[in-house]
Amino acid sequence: GDSVTQMEGPVTLSEEAFLTINCTYTATGYPSLFWYVQYPGEGLQLLLKATKADDKGSNKGFEATYRKETTSFHLEKGSVQVSDSAVYFCALSGTQGAQKLVFGQGTRLTINP
Amino acid sequence: ETGVTQTPRHLVMGMTNKKSLKCEQHLGHNAMYWYKQSAKKPLELMFVYNFKEQTENNSVPSRFSPECPNSSHLFLHLHTLQPEDSALYLCASSQDSPGAGNTIYFGEGSWLTVV
Repeated sequence: GDSVTQMEGPVTLSEEAFLTINCTYTATGYPSLFWYVQYPGEGLQLLLKATKADDKGSNKGFEATYRKETTSFHLEKGSVQVSDSAVYFCALSGTQGAQKLVFGQGTRLTINP
Repeated sequence: ETGVTQTPRHLVMGMTNKKSLKCEQHLGHNAMYWYKQSAKKPLELMFVYNFKEQTENNSVPSRFSPECPNSSHLFLHLHTLQPEDSALYLCASSQDSPGAGNTIYFGEGSWLTVV
């Protein structure tokens, strides 16, 4: 079945560092890919998404490119801030749509000033 | 503000109590979900409703009883819970249509503590 694998956390960086959180997937067909973020004490919010190969999703300085050849959707940000501290979830939805959304295990990110 | 509102945000209940979690979505979606998020465990899908009809129950114990009176409202009725049921319960909604690309929108969650 479909699955998502994220790099294990926790990840701790200093402010203004470059961020990469790896995400790879296994799926049949052409899934859509998502990154969700969960700030402390809150629910999940959609950060960005890409619906076809080579699409780049971007939001709030974060980017991720849908790479079909490597089945990856790595999250990147050039200069992180303390306010980016959160848990980040990679997810995919396959041909059955949102009702079969598959989440990775989440990566906790802490940014130190 | 995601358009999905959950109440209460925090709930403490005894094992013999009966309580309910409420979710309302203002997005015009026709699919609604309950997820459970426990510490150190992956996000777990509990129930899915499409056009008020339950379409998925992920082997959830009967002490959790969902109710969907219309496409905008979803409840999770709780009774005789166990301490291990303490978790963050997330409601979500999406537009139901075939194919990939539909986005799920989450509420802020209800923190449940069973004592």
